[in-house]
Amino acid sequence: SQTIHQWPATLVQPVGSPLSLECTVEGTSNPNLYWYRQAAGRGLQLLFYSVGIGQISSEVPQNLSASRPQDRQFILSSKKLLLSDSGFYLCAWSGGALDTQYFGPGTRLTVL
Amino acid sequence: GQNIDQPTEMTATEGAIVQINCTYQTSGFNGLFWYQQHAGEAPTFLSYNVLDGLEEKGRFSSFLSRSKGYSYLLLKELQMKDSASYLCARANNNDMRFGAGTRLTVKP
Repeated sequence: SQTIHQWPATLVQPVGSPLSLECTVEGTSNPNLYWYRQAAGRGLQLLFYSVGIGQISSEVPQNLSASRPQDRQFILSSKKLLLSDSGFYLCAWSGGALDTQYFGPGTRLTVL
Repeated sequence: GQNIDQPTEMTATEGAIVQINCTYQTSGFNGLFWYQQHAGEAPTFLSYNVLDGLEEKGRFSSFLSRSKGYSYLLLKELQMKDSASYLCARANNNDMRFGAGTRLTVKP
């Protein structure tokens, strides 16, 4: 069966510090991968999605970037965090663009 | 977000039935998903509709009308554990967009 992992589970970082969040998927090949952010009490905002290694589509221009160095690994990064980057970051995978998305446990990021 | 509208909050009583509505922009529509999200947790998949009509899964059912750009999630025999946010999501061409979610509170 397929599983999706994210780490860390929680993170507190100062403004201006770098960020690296990792997501890995097991039990499937060539998945579509997604990064979402959810601000407190708000809906899911799609940040990036990837249909293959090295292929990244950005939905919202901002100080975040994503990379997919391996088929089942998706990384969200920032060189300098802003206060507005605080939120719940969710990684998801699907078999295709129109298929059900399955979410990882999420990373709660607080930028102080 | 992205032309997907659902009520912000709803309250219902344990044992009752509640219907959560969702309207969406019909252009490029390819399917409608419902997810449940408990506070502090990731969303979990509940249902998927691509054709008009009702899909039933135990206590949960989901309805779709493609011509009207309308869906609802029906929860029967409400339990306290059903208190959560319910997210409507529309698959559109090459991606999926989520509504802001409806926070349901089930009271004894």
